Amino acid sequence: EIVLTQSPDTLSLSPGERATLSCRASQSVRSSYLAWYQQKPGQAPGLLIYGTSSRASGIPERFSGSGSGTDFTLTISRLEPEDFAVYYCQHYGSSLYTFGQGTKLEIK
Amino acid sequence: EVQLVATGGGLIQPGGSLRLSCAASGFTLSSSYMSWVRQAPGGGLEWVSIIYIGGSTYYADSVRGRFTISRDDSKNTLYLQMDSLRAEDTAVYYCARVPSFFYYYMDVWGRGTTVTVSS
Repeated sequence: EIVLTQSPDTLSLSPGERATLSCRASQSVRSSYLAWYQQKPGQAPGLLIYGTSSRASGIPERFSGSGSGTDFTLTISRLEPEDFAVYYCQHYGSSLYTFGQGTKLEIK
Repeated sequence: EVQLVATGGGLIQPGGSLRLSCAASGFTLSSSYMSWVRQAPGGGLEWVSIIYIGGSTYYADSVRGRFTISRDDSKNTLYLQMDSLRAEDTAVYYCARVPSFFYYYMDVWGRGTTVTVSS
């Protein structure tokens, strides 16, 4: 079973800054099966990125995804106040899903 | 509007059973894969189960043999039958749609229903 490890656990930044979130897989994974989600308190998760780098419908261009093999990155180019939330990476493979433990993006 | 509404959560004693429902609107349930994901209090997301269009089902190791995913196409509703419940099953349970059979992402999520297993 593939394990996804996100880093850092918490990222403290200010609005306007650039955020870089990492997701590392325990073995090489198929890029088309790597997705990112955003979750705000009291809400269900929302899809941000699928297939490593494709933005979901309605997601602003400041969100971008990249990576391959075992290392994947979610980048938020210029943080807006509404971007402070918890972010999860997700992988699908062999008929099961794995989520990373999450990165909390908090206001500095 | 595409929407999922999960219901059926509540307080249940250890060893008990509960059935969650997830009503879909704005799309046909039988044309998508559907999944359940849960989140323990203060915790991260944990995948629970998936049902494919053809009816094949898969489960996380933590629930296999105790939980059963199913759907009623006539009611456009997804279910999760949970038996032999344990304290560690306490969580918010979300249903989610998997629309793409190439990317397997979850694009629509229900609001979630809370299950508390406690005596």
